[in-house]
Amino acid sequence: EAQVTQNPRYLITVTGKKLTVTCSQNMNHEYMSWYRQDPGLGLRQIYYSMNVEVTDKGDVPEGYKVSRKEKRNFPLILESPSPNQTSLYFCASSLGREIYNEQFFGPGTRLTVL
Amino acid sequence: AQSVTQLDSHVSVSEGTPVLLRCNYSSSYSPSLFWYVQHPNKGLQLLLKYTSAATLVKGINGFEAEFKKSETSFHLTKPSAHMSDAAEYFCVVRYSGGYQKVTFGTGTKLQVIP
Repeated sequence: EAQVTQNPRYLITVTGKKLTVTCSQNMNHEYMSWYRQDPGLGLRQIYYSMNVEVTDKGDVPEGYKVSRKEKRNFPLILESPSPNQTSLYFCASSLGREIYNEQFFGPGTRLTVL
Repeated sequence: AQSVTQLDSHVSVSEGTPVLLRCNYSSSYSPSLFWYVQHPNKGLQLLLKYTSAATLVKGINGFEAEFKKSETSFHLTKPSAHMSDAAEYFCVVRYSGGYQKVTFGTGTKLQVIP
């Protein structure tokens, strides 16, 4: 089944403790992206990647890192999480960088930083 | 900068009556436009997309949207609301022009009253 998977689905952590949220897609998609969703703000793009080893900042990249060493994986790293990073996070992928390509979303990761 | 505005944060309709969810975008370059739906505690699903072909786009579950360049709008409609349509809807824009960001509107929550 074609899908985007994220792990973990739920995470409670404390301020300053490094964490990684994994994202993997099995559709051989070039473009991958991370979003955070906060009430009243919609989804905001954190980082995106147009292919292996090619990443760029979205609208809210501060406090986050990403890497794209393999086409299928696009982990999101929080080196020193803070309470303002408590949010619902979505990973997404699309076939290519062309703007007409729709994105396929993972199920989301709910992160709480205490 | 690209932007998209969803004019209503909440819309309430009676079952069987028409649905109108409004979306306006900024007019730089040539956009691709998408509508996604998010049911409670679920991920995001594509409803429909506009990619410079036909201006009237039909999507899943009876939804459609019309791209109006003169009004910079891409409103989502459905002739008759069903209880299962209750969800949050997001208008999304992507532009050509050398960068690959994706911009979401802030969302419209649709309530369907029996």
